[in-house]
Amino acid sequence: DTEVTQTPKHLVMGMTNKKSLKCEQHMGHRAMYWYKQKAKKPPELMFVYSYEKLSINESVPSRFSPECPNSSLLNLHLHALQPEDSALYLCASSPNGNQPQHFGDGTRLSIL
Amino acid sequence: AQKITQTQPGMFVQEKEAVTLDCTYDTSDPSYGLFWYKQPSSGEMIFLIYQGSYDQQNATEGRYSLNFQKARKSANLVISASQLGDSAMYFCAMREGSGQAGTALIFGKGTTLSVSS
Repeated sequence: DTEVTQTPKHLVMGMTNKKSLKCEQHMGHRAMYWYKQKAKKPPELMFVYSYEKLSINESVPSRFSPECPNSSLLNLHLHALQPEDSALYLCASSPNGNQPQHFGDGTRLSIL
Repeated sequence: AQKITQTQPGMFVQEKEAVTLDCTYDTSDPSYGLFWYKQPSSGEMIFLIYQGSYDQQNATEGRYSLNFQKARKSANLVISASQLGDSAMYFCAMREGSGQAGTALIFGKGTTLSVSS
């Protein structure tokens, strides 16, 4: 079991749907991350929240909208996604950069 | 130029043998950290081992050790006594800078390790 919990584990949605991915950690980590990963590729950083403020946005399309309601919770709101957005979405958290990022099990997203 | 280079797309090893996965890095920052992660086919990213740029000794964690050669800018992962459960994708990653919260990791392309009986 990982200490970073992501829900749902699998999500299938149409291009017109709106859905959200959820990530939760209770380790007191002050940084949280969203990554997108295609098969057999490394994770690609999407967003970083540090102390609940968005600190890095890697030029992600606006159809992806992150939200950090509190220090334990990170959401990724999805709207009008494209088939190429189908991927594994990983959430991670860390106390600081010297400590490893702890990853959740990911959400496998399929866009029909 | 790539900051993290993993030159071995795939590696094959027999059970109980040792295997080395290569990783070279490129940074001009004197402070950095190097991480290795394992990703089985199920998808979760599992942290294995960490080496800081100022660490004097090579990091070890159970069957995992990191062969850190700073002058050559390499940070190879050594897995001793391979097990079938070691079959997975392995990523080398680097953090540049002093390590404030929210510092992004730079990942290499990964190496797929296959362990056979």
